[in-house]
Amino acid sequence: DQQVKQNSPSLSVQEGRISILNCDYTNSMFDYFLWYKKYPAEGPTFLISISSIKDKNEDGRFTVFLNKSAKHLSLHIVPSQPGDSAVYFCAASFNNAGNMLTFGGGTRLMVKP
Amino acid sequence: AAGVIQSPRHLIKEKRETATLKCYPIPRHDTVYWYQQGPGQDPQFLISFYEKMQSDKGSIPDRFSAQQFSDYHSELNMSSLELGDSALYFCASSNRDRGEKLFFGSGTQLSVL
Repeated sequence: DQQVKQNSPSLSVQEGRISILNCDYTNSMFDYFLWYKKYPAEGPTFLISISSIKDKNEDGRFTVFLNKSAKHLSLHIVPSQPGDSAVYFCAASFNNAGNMLTFGGGTRLMVKP
Repeated sequence: AAGVIQSPRHLIKEKRETATLKCYPIPRHDTVYWYQQGPGQDPQFLISFYEKMQSDKGSIPDRFSAQQFSDYHSELNMSSLELGDSALYFCASSNRDRGEKLFFGSGTQLSVL
């Protein structure tokens, strides 16, 4: 049973517009959430995280929103750039350090120039 | 900056053979993690080591074993390989004592024929 789900396998966005990637989880014990970005032939790269005590965390063009009651989080990228084209993985953890991650299936983002 | 090094990048084996994957963590990282990502699947946690001792165990088959050596590098040993073992194997490292995020290597693509 998948505990972390990314229901959209792919997303296409025009350069300069907002990209919104969604993630749902089922285990209410998760208390730390991360987004990783992955380019082909490379390992996942940490992007941004959020603790369950917060509902928003912002880092430059990237903002992660957490809705604990809905067990849902989203990653907003504004403005989207062609270099953002990659696979984005949502991950969840039971501890604040973000270890022992449970990953979602990933969403492939394509930003068109 | 030094990253997580995995070797080999690609490995082709036949059924029932054995394989050894190696991971060299970022210097001063005390924890190593192994993940398996099958075709079209999300990365699955296999096993982790903290200060050379196994710390957590995920969905690692009994045919697989792993260890972390005195220089902190880790090896994942896979025996009696099956076709279903074909996957991308990621290693990640972190400094758990500092609560740092996981840094991933580029992965080893294992193909079992």
